[in-house]
Amino acid sequence: KAGVTQTPRYLIKTRGQQVTLSCSPISGHRSVSWYQQTPGQGLQFLFEYFSETQRNKGNFPGRFSGRQFSNSRSEMNVSTLELGDSALYLCASSLGLSSGPSRYEQYFGPGTRLTVT
Amino acid sequence: AQSVTQLGSHVSVSEGALVLLRCNYSSSVPPYLFWYVQYPNQGLQLLLKYTTGATLVKGINGFEAEFKKSETSFHLTKPSAHMSDAAEYFCAVMRAGGGNKLTFGTGTQLKVEL
Repeated sequence: KAGVTQTPRYLIKTRGQQVTLSCSPISGHRSVSWYQQTPGQGLQFLFEYFSETQRNKGNFPGRFSGRQFSNSRSEMNVSTLELGDSALYLCASSLGLSSGPSRYEQYFGPGTRLTVT
Repeated sequence: AQSVTQLGSHVSVSEGALVLLRCNYSSSVPPYLFWYVQYPNQGLQLLLKYTTGATLVKGINGFEAEFKKSETSFHLTKPSAHMSDAAEYFCAVMRAGGGNKLTFGTGTQLKVEL
């Protein structure tokens, strides 16, 4: 079974621009979560989508947004990029079920490394 | 609010020695607990998890962890370190009924020396 894929793997943008990152979950997984990883702040939860609806949201400004499509693929968008947005953005997929032993297991993609100059 | 504390940002062990990575959590209700490993330029890989049941949890690559409610701890151990274990390890908590939001510790970089 193919794992979580994220595109692109590397991205360089300029301050003020916007960026869209893509995540394709494991087949059959309906929940997609996004995390930001930086040396200073560590791993921080951005948001979670399940069945095209945002189910959870972290403490990030409104410049960070996301969406999920009917095939469970997800995108996140960052508008008006700032230098501090430079980070590794990780996507994680899970079954998203409310029961079953695997319902809490999240599988991470390799991440998108975003550099803002 | 939940939080996770990982004692020791860097741990160094000799190959064949015991690996012990410490994790303490703070939560108003018993959370679900996880350990993830991250190799350079890769995403996170789930090592093991505790949700309910047996408090000693066995994971992949010979790792195990014990949930101790009285000590609010979930330390990760491996009896004998291998060079391939060198990586960064993250402890994480998830609030029961709180969706799939993971709160991570700051990570412990494990170095394995010959």
